[in-house]
Amino acid sequence: DTAVSQTPKYLVTQMGNDKSIKCEQNLGHDTMYWYKQDSKKFLKIMFSYNNKELIINETVPNRFSPKSPDKAHLNLHINSLELGDSAVYFCASSRNRVGPQETQYFGPGTRLLVL
Amino acid sequence: ELKVEQNPLFLSMQEGKNYTIYCNYSTTSDRLYWYRQDPGKSLESLFVLLSNGAVKQEGRLMASLDTKARLSTLHITAAVHDLSATYFCAVLLQGNTPLVFGKGTRLSVIA
Repeated sequence: DTAVSQTPKYLVTQMGNDKSIKCEQNLGHDTMYWYKQDSKKFLKIMFSYNNKELIINETVPNRFSPKSPDKAHLNLHINSLELGDSAVYFCASSRNRVGPQETQYFGPGTRLLVL
Repeated sequence: ELKVEQNPLFLSMQEGKNYTIYCNYSTTSDRLYWYRQDPGKSLESLFVLLSNGAVKQEGRLMASLDTKARLSTLHITAAVHDLSATYFCAVLLQGNTPLVFGKGTRLSVIA
């Protein structure tokens, strides 16, 4: 069974559309994250949730809205997509955010292309 | 603001050779992570370094952490083609701060 899964794996859409990416982890972790990896492979945190509570919200346009219905799921909804949103979006999870072993386990990524 | 810098960003090395990738960071931390990413794939955790002087080894890779120098190294011994990938270091500060990644080192091992 995949530990951290994301759907869809690929997403091609037009500018101005609204889309969602889903993430699920079956590791029993408390903390989940969304990262964006741009075309230069630079990885940057977007959001982090701990037990369904938002704990990190980096400087991200408010067109991006995370939602955590339960601690095993963290979805990302993007409104009014722009060309610059094209990237790979990775979901990750970790056991907790303050313990000594916060290794983050990454999902396979969602490759978003906005045309 | 925490900054994490890796060098080199690109590395082409011959099979059988040794090399070191460096990761410098700007703010005191004792939690450093190394990840590997194959092209088009996700990130795989390699090492977690949690204290000054920590050294961990897995196969041909060895990672170390010097918190006083704010430096971690990833040493590659007798490189093989299968090690070709992008290697990221990432640093975590205390509290609710995010994991900050370096820009990655794209390693290519050639025959």
